[in-house]
Amino acid sequence: GAGVSQSPSNKVTEKGKDVELRCDPISGHTALYWYRQSLGQGLEFLIYFQGNSAPDKSGLPSDRFSAERTGGSVSTLTIQRTQQEDSAVYLCASSLDTGGDYGYTFGSGTRLTVV
Amino acid sequence: KQEVTQIPAALSVPEGENLVLNCSFTDSAIYNLQWFRQDPGKGLTSLLLIQSSQREQTSGRLNASLDKSSGRSTLYIAASQPGDSATYLCAGMDSNYQLIWGAGTKLIIKP
Repeated sequence: GAGVSQSPSNKVTEKGKDVELRCDPISGHTALYWYRQSLGQGLEFLIYFQGNSAPDKSGLPSDRFSAERTGGSVSTLTIQRTQQEDSAVYLCASSLDTGGDYGYTFGSGTRLTVV
Repeated sequence: KQEVTQIPAALSVPEGENLVLNCSFTDSAIYNLQWFRQDPGKGLTSLLLIQSSQREQTSGRLNASLDKSSGRSTLYIAASQPGDSATYLCAGMDSNYQLIWGAGTKLIIKP
């Protein structure tokens, strides 16, 4: 697609429920990144994919968070048993590769509210 | 550990003024640097990317420079307009190809 698409744009869920966030990167972009931005805070790195593999999962806050990417394209970030502290904007970005010669393009984010 | 500082944290200027936003790194080993803007409630919009072999980039009224030896980058905005009001973020890519982010400068351009 022309840009990075994220869905849903807004999600309100009850504490303890599972949620799935979706990111559809720019076609041909092999690198995909997930970040989290809490209210008034900077960006927190969660995980990145090069193709379908995730070399660095160190940013995931807990084992309730997982992510996968299939077909080198769409990625889903799953949060199990959501907690109120999971409330944040989840941003996805893609890049042609991870080599650093290309910039990142971000999606508009998913605003997650856990009540 | 690489840390990024953006100064000032907030800036309010009258329309038409030229201004400079600053970004500094504790470790000068930066591979590339990207400036973004973020509007309230929105995602991030890429403004300029300075690649590893470059020292500056220009786009319209924006000019960004990178001095790796001093670990500093500046974003220059000429003839500011109210539509420039946003939070500006700099992000440097480290040797592990990870982006390290500043906390941002909140810019308000007064009509």
